[in-house]
Amino acid sequence: EVQLVQSGAEVKKPGESLKISCKGSGYSFTSYWIAWVRQMPGKGLEWMGMIYPGDSATRYSPSFQGQVTVSADKSITTASLQWSSLKASDTAMYYCARLRGVVSPSYYDGMDVWGQGTTVTVSS
Amino acid sequence: EIVLTQSPGTLSLSPGERATLSCRASQSVSSTYLTWYQQKPGQAPRLLIYGASSRAAGIPDRFSGSGSGTDFTLTISRLEPEDFAVYYCQQYGGSQFTFGPGTKVDIK
Repeated sequence: EVQLVQSGAEVKKPGESLKISCKGSGYSFTSYWIAWVRQMPGKGLEWMGMIYPGDSATRYSPSFQGQVTVSADKSITTASLQWSSLKASDTAMYYCARLRGVVSPSYYDGMDVWGQGTTVTVSS
Repeated sequence: EIVLTQSPGTLSLSPGERATLSCRASQSVSSTYLTWYQQKPGQAPRLLIYGASSRAAGIPDRFSGSGSGTDFTLTISRLEPEDFAVYYCQQYGGSQFTFGPGTKVDIK
């Protein structure tokens, strides 16, 4: 079964660092991009950035560039999203999702598998 | 950045009725990269339609997508109770994904 399993909920204080993870299984981890999507409470979906574990290529939304870092360790089929200094406004649900075909359009078939989400709460 | 606008914001319908959801882009979008997702409360989004009109695996044929250029439509031919949810369109262009703000389909 193809799955993305995300790490558990986090409660942090402003200024703290954080790294959340997304472990892929049941497919070739290095053949798909992993995207990160933010959903603030009661709000819509926002694409943050993505990584291709095959060669660690990354793309970021201008809104999130410099605010977060996406990484991947293909040896453990895990992608990560990290913050160096959290703000209260980072409080949200964060989803990872896999996709392919951003370089070769003929392979694009949407973000077809999603993680269950990781809730991040930042509060003093 | 391409901005997606979805209308209406909320669509109130009864089971069995037809739902027509609109997604309009601020500039022309590649149909290959126009995608629709469904999200229910407390759940991750679910892929419905990719390439503007191709149903994802396991998606019932009451869901269909159409459109090109700047105007795209998701149609649900006959609403089932499990279809009441929020629907998002998404596009990819210039190495960026953007989502629309969503249309909530609720029970009338």
